[in-house]
Amino acid sequence: NAGVMQNPRHLVRRRGQEARLRCSPMKGHSHVYWYRQLPEEGLKFMVYLQKENIIDESGMPKERFSAEFPKEGPSILRIQQVVRGDSAAYFCASSPDLAGGYEQYFGPGTRLTVT
Amino acid sequence: SQKIEQNSEALNIQEGKTATLTCNYTNYSPAYLQWYRQDPGRGPVFLLLIRENEKEKRKERLKVTFDTTLKQSLFHITASQPADSATYLCALDYAGNNRKLIWGLGTSLAVNP
Repeated sequence: NAGVMQNPRHLVRRRGQEARLRCSPMKGHSHVYWYRQLPEEGLKFMVYLQKENIIDESGMPKERFSAEFPKEGPSILRIQQVVRGDSAAYFCASSPDLAGGYEQYFGPGTRLTVT
Repeated sequence: SQKIEQNSEALNIQEGKTATLTCNYTNYSPAYLQWYRQDPGRGPVFLLLIRENEKEKRKERLKVTFDTTLKQSLFHITASQPADSATYLCALDYAGNNRKLIWGLGTSLAVNP
């Protein structure tokens, strides 16, 4: 059973460009979470999605950030018009569909660098 | 809002000893608490989940306790090995949304051979 896949692993963007981060959850998982982590800082919740639905986006900046999890294909975190402050590691996690399956399985992360 | 505190200072111990890490939280009582391990440059890895009605949980050399009166969880690694060196994260569920987690900053553990 393949783990959570994220790509790209490293992404370099110039200020003003768009960044698209992809996440494929583990098989049998329909709950997806996106987190952001800065060096020496903790994981910051951004958004929680289920297939085709955004359940909680309270951690997402109101502007420039969006997320989706379509019926087919990976979940996408999209950052428009990136700024230097967006440079961080972005982690995706998924959790099982079964009742009480609250543990989260993380991907390797995408390290975004904005120049 | 919920707040989680983990030891900010790194913990250095000798191989073979027991490492004990602390997670304290304030405000409401979570339905469950989780511990993860994170190595540099990698995503966190799930270790153990303990529910509010459980006092203790074990998995191989790992043991977690959950004291809802003290609002504290202790994470123990017995017979520690250098390979246990990593940052250990504590996470709690949000009230009213069991699948959304709030995270501590983590405690760095170094096991010296």
